[in-house]
Amino acid sequence: NAGVMQNPRHLVRRRGQEARLRCSPMKGHSHVYWYRQLPEEGLKFMVYLQKENIIDESGMPKERFSAEFPKEGPSILRIQQVVRGDSAAYFCASSPGTSGGRRSSYEQYFGPGTRLTVT
Amino acid sequence: AQSVAQPEDQVNVAEGNPLTVKCTYSVSGNPYLFWYVQYPNRGLQFLLKYITGDNLVKGSYGFEAEFNKSQTSFHLKKPSALVSDSALYFCAVSATTDSWGKFQFGAGTQVVVTP
Repeated sequence: NAGVMQNPRHLVRRRGQEARLRCSPMKGHSHVYWYRQLPEEGLKFMVYLQKENIIDESGMPKERFSAEFPKEGPSILRIQQVVRGDSAAYFCASSPGTSGGRRSSYEQYFGPGTRLTVT
Repeated sequence: AQSVAQPEDQVNVAEGNPLTVKCTYSVSGNPYLFWYVQYPNRGLQFLLKYITGDNLVKGSYGFEAEFNKSQTSFHLKKPSALVSDSALYFCAVSATTDSWGKFQFGAGTQVVVTP
């Protein structure tokens, strides 16, 4: 059973360009989460998605950042007009959905991350 | 609002000695607590969780953690540390009153195990 896949692993963008980060959850998982890890800091929650739905985006910056998890295909975190402060490691995690209204699992499983460098 | 504190930036321990990594939390409602480990340039690996039930939970690689509600703590422990346990450890909390997926992570504790 393949784990959470993220690509690219490393991404270099110049200021003003767009960055697209992709995440494929573990097989059978329908919940996806995005976190950002700045150098020397812990992970900060960004957004929680289910298929075609944004459940909680309270950690997303108000501008330039967006996320989606379409019915088909990976989840995408999109950063428009990148700035140097966006340089960080971006981690995706996934978890199973609910069954009969109850969660079948509480922990999240993390991908290897995408390291974004803005020059 | 929920928060997690890991009071030690780094813990140094000799191989074979007991290892403890501290974590305290603050949440509204019942907490769900987790420990993860991160090796350099890698993602986070799940170690263990507390959801309900016994306060002492056992996890991967010989780690365990004790949930203490009165002290709002969830310290990670290992009776005998290995050099290969050297890594960055994160405590995380989620609360029943918040969106299930919103983990709040501590700043991390670097564990260094010397031979």
